[in-house]
Amino acid sequence: EAGVTQFPSHSVIEKGQTVTLRCDPISGHDNLYWYRRVMGKEIKFLLHFVKESKQDESGMPNNRFLAERTGGTYSTLKVQPAELEDSGVYFCASSLRLAGSYNEQFFGPGTRLTVL
Amino acid sequence: AQSVSQHNHHVILSEAASLELGCNYSYGGTVNLFWYVQYPGQHLQLLLKYFSGDPLVKGIKGFEAEFIKSKFSFNLRKPSVQWSDTAEYFCAVNAPQAGTALIFGKGTTLSVSS
Repeated sequence: EAGVTQFPSHSVIEKGQTVTLRCDPISGHDNLYWYRRVMGKEIKFLLHFVKESKQDESGMPNNRFLAERTGGTYSTLKVQPAELEDSGVYFCASSLRLAGSYNEQFFGPGTRLTVL
Repeated sequence: AQSVSQHNHHVILSEAASLELGCNYSYGGTVNLFWYVQYPGQHLQLLLKYFSGDPLVKGIKGFEAEFIKSKFSFNLRKPSVQWSDTAEYFCAVNAPQAGTALIFGKGTTLSVSS
């Protein structure tokens, strides 16, 4: 079974440009999460989708970040315009959605974003 | 706000040495606790988890962790490390009342020399 995949693995852009990151969750996983790790800091939660709906977007840093999950399958995270402080590794995770239990989150390899 | 503290940024050990990585969290309610590991060039993967019951939990590859509620701690241990344990280790907490997101510590890099 394929795991969580993310594209691209690396992206280098200039300040002010736009970048779109993609995450393909494990098939059948309704929950999809985005996290970010800025260098030297902890991995921080950005947002959580249940199918195509945003369940929790309390971690989104500002309105330059837009996440979508049309059709409840893959998700994209767009940063527009990118700033220097957006550099970091963006992780995606997915999990099943079984009532009454906490379901393990499976992580993708991450996208390393560098904003120059 | 909830937070997770990992005491050591970088730990260096020789093979066969014992390992203990500290983790403390700040949250007064019910929590689910996790240790994740990221081997060089690989994905984050779950090492072990605690939801309830026996506070001593065993995970993969000989790792175990002990939940001490009174100390808000969830330390990771392994009696004898191997070179292949070289990786970055992350403690994470979930507070069910606040949703399913994970709150991570800053991570501890473990380097094991053979």
